[in-house]
Amino acid sequence: GENVEQHPSTLSVQEGDSAVIKCTYSDSASNYFPWYKQELGKGPQLIIDIRSNVGEKKDQRIAVTLNKTAKHFSLHITETQPEDSAVYFCVCGGYNKLIFGAGTRLAVHP
Amino acid sequence: DSGVTQTPKHLITATGQRVTLRCSPRSGDLSVYWYQQSLDQGLQFLIQYYNGEERAKGNILERFSAQQFPDLHSELNLSSLELGDSALYFCASSVDGGNNQPQHFGDGTRLSIL
Repeated sequence: GENVEQHPSTLSVQEGDSAVIKCTYSDSASNYFPWYKQELGKGPQLIIDIRSNVGEKKDQRIAVTLNKTAKHFSLHITETQPEDSAVYFCVCGGYNKLIFGAGTRLAVHP
Repeated sequence: DSGVTQTPKHLITATGQRVTLRCSPRSGDLSVYWYQQSLDQGLQFLIQYYNGEERAKGNILERFSAQQFPDLHSELNLSSLELGDSALYFCASSVDGGNNQPQHFGDGTRLSIL
């Protein structure tokens, strides 16, 4: 069945450093890859998404890359800030449902 | 604020009982989705409705059912509750029911079974 593997499960960085989260997926039919940020007590918040006809997308300090051949996609956060601390989920979309990775708990230390 | 409203925020009940969770989608969104988030299973898709009709089904138990009403709000009904049903239940909505549409999540209902 569909599967999304996400690494690392936890990530600790100093404020101002970069953070990278990597995911692999199994279903070659997947063609939509959103990323969600979940803060404590809140629902997942869509922060950026990429479609399979695009290899890279950037929005201010956040960038995503997609390698469809290798079935890899990644989230890059530059100049991290304490408010970036949260759980981040990579997601594969297709057939009207989203398949979530297990999440990465990011801690940004001042 | 995503614009998706879920009530109640917290629900505490006992095994064997039945509960109803409610979701109002973002203004203009026609499709709603239900997800379950637990520590051991992560975030899992349960079911999708589009304009009142069931569109897709995921890992939804037979004890669970949902519907979407003419005003587009949705309800998730959980019956014969078991301890393992304790989880966060999220509703999301999207503009239409097509593939690859951004889904916007509410803040969830935390269900605790005692």
